[in-house]
Amino acid sequence: GQSLEQPSEVTAVEGAIVQINCTYQTSGFYGLSWYQQHDGGAPTFLSYNALDGLEETGRFSSFLSRSDSYGYLLLQELQMKDSASYFCAVNEDQNFVFGPGTRLSVLP
Amino acid sequence: KAGVTQTPRYLIKTRGQQVTLSCSPISGHRSVSWYQQTPGQGLQFLFEYFSETQRNKGNFPGRFSGRQFSNSRSEMNVSTLELGDSALYLCASSLATEGGYGYTFGSGTRLTVV
Repeated sequence: GQSLEQPSEVTAVEGAIVQINCTYQTSGFYGLSWYQQHDGGAPTFLSYNALDGLEETGRFSSFLSRSDSYGYLLLQELQMKDSASYFCAVNEDQNFVFGPGTRLSVLP
Repeated sequence: KAGVTQTPRYLIKTRGQQVTLSCSPISGHRSVSWYQQTPGQGLQFLFEYFSETQRNKGNFPGRFSGRQFSNSRSEMNVSTLELGDSALYLCASSLATEGGYGYTFGSGTRLTVV
C-alpha cells in the first residue's frame, strides 16, 4: 500500500518563496510528481522526479530524496495566480497515488 | 493538439440509477486512468487501462467498472448509484508504457446523486 503526507494549508505573500513538503511510504517507487489544481479546474502536471536532486522549471522547482522518502515543491516569486491546491503523487508501477493536497493561499 | 475530453461535464442522477461517463484521451495516448475527487477523500484512483486491458484497480466496490476501446477511448460505469458517489470524476491519459511521466487530465464530469 501507499501513503503520502502533505501539509493541508500554506499561506504566503506575493513575491515570497514557499516550500510544500511531501513524505511517502510505498511498497515500490518509480518517481514523485507534482500537480497544481485551481478551484473548479483539472489537475495540471508541474514536475516529475525519478532521481534524487533538484529539478527546476521556471519559478517552480521540485526536489526528491529517495533515501528519505521525501520530496518538496518550491515556488519562487509567488504570484496571486499560484493560489491553488498542490498534490504530490507517487508513481508506483502504472498507478499514480495522490497525496491529500496542500492548499496554497497567496496574499497581496 | 486536442486535450483529454470528458463527457458529459455535469450529470444529475437519482439513487439507484446507473451512469456512464466517457473519456477521449489525447491522440496517441494508450493509457487512461480514472479518479474520483471529493472534498473529504481527495483524488482516489479508480482504475487504469492500457490497450483495452485493465492494468490496475483501486479500492472501489464492484459497482464501479470501466472499459477501453480499440481507439483508446474509455468509459466508466457506476451502477446502483448512492449519494456518496457524488463527486468529480476525472480521467487522465498518458503516453507512459512503464511508469514515469505526468498525466494530462480532462476537465472532469461532475456527478450529483440526489
